[in-house]
Amino acid sequence: DIQLTQSPSFLSASIGVRVTITCRASQGISHYLAWYQQKPGKAPKLLIYAVSTLQSGVPSRFSGSGSGTEFTLTISSLQPEDFATYYCQHLNSHFNFGQGTQLAI
Amino acid sequence: QVQLVQSGAELKMPGASVTVSCTASGYSLTAYFLHWVRQAPGQGLEWMGWIRPETGGTNYAQKFHGRVTMTRDTSINTAYMEVSGLRSDDTAVYYCARDPYDILTGAPYGLDVWGQGTTVTVSS
Repeated sequence: DIQLTQSPSFLSASIGVRVTITCRASQGISHYLAWYQQKPGKAPKLLIYAVSTLQSGVPSRFSGSGSGTEFTLTISSLQPEDFATYYCQHLNSHFNFGQGTQLAI
Repeated sequence: QVQLVQSGAELKMPGASVTVSCTASGYSLTAYFLHWVRQAPGQGLEWMGWIRPETGGTNYAQKFHGRVTMTRDTSINTAYMEVSGLRSDDTAVYYCARDPYDILTGAPYGLDVWGQGTTVTVSS
């Protein structure tokens, strides 16, 4: 199985700043990567799929990039509603998730 | 409105089995793959497997082989996941989620619609 490792596991940031979360795969995964946001007590929400395609309705301050084994999720200007936990997921064969990154104030 | 509605919370004894249902509304269950994901208290997301409702084909995570069974009843637009031999570490919220994966092109679209989650507690 392909393993995904996110960094950092915990991130403290302020409103308005730019933040980046990294997801590294144990081997190349082409474009088979998605990002999700999860708030406490809620189901995950799809933000980005195929590395960089923004899901309908997701604000444009979210963006994804990367290739091969290293991928990033960037939030260009943090808003209060962005404080949550973020997960990357491999979208092929066995759909493993990264361990998550908790984004807090 | 497209949504997935799951069955209610369950309390089970160790060694028992549990079946969680996931009913699709606003679309045909057979049109998309359906995944199951669980989350233990305070932990991350864990992928369990998928079912292709059109054919009944399944793909399970290695960890759950032999203990998880995913089925569907297309006449009522509902998918099911059974976990047998429950242990305390199976205590978790279980989610179903839709996958619009395009078989013809191989294009991935992520898990775009999620159920509300079903809490399964395993305790004696």
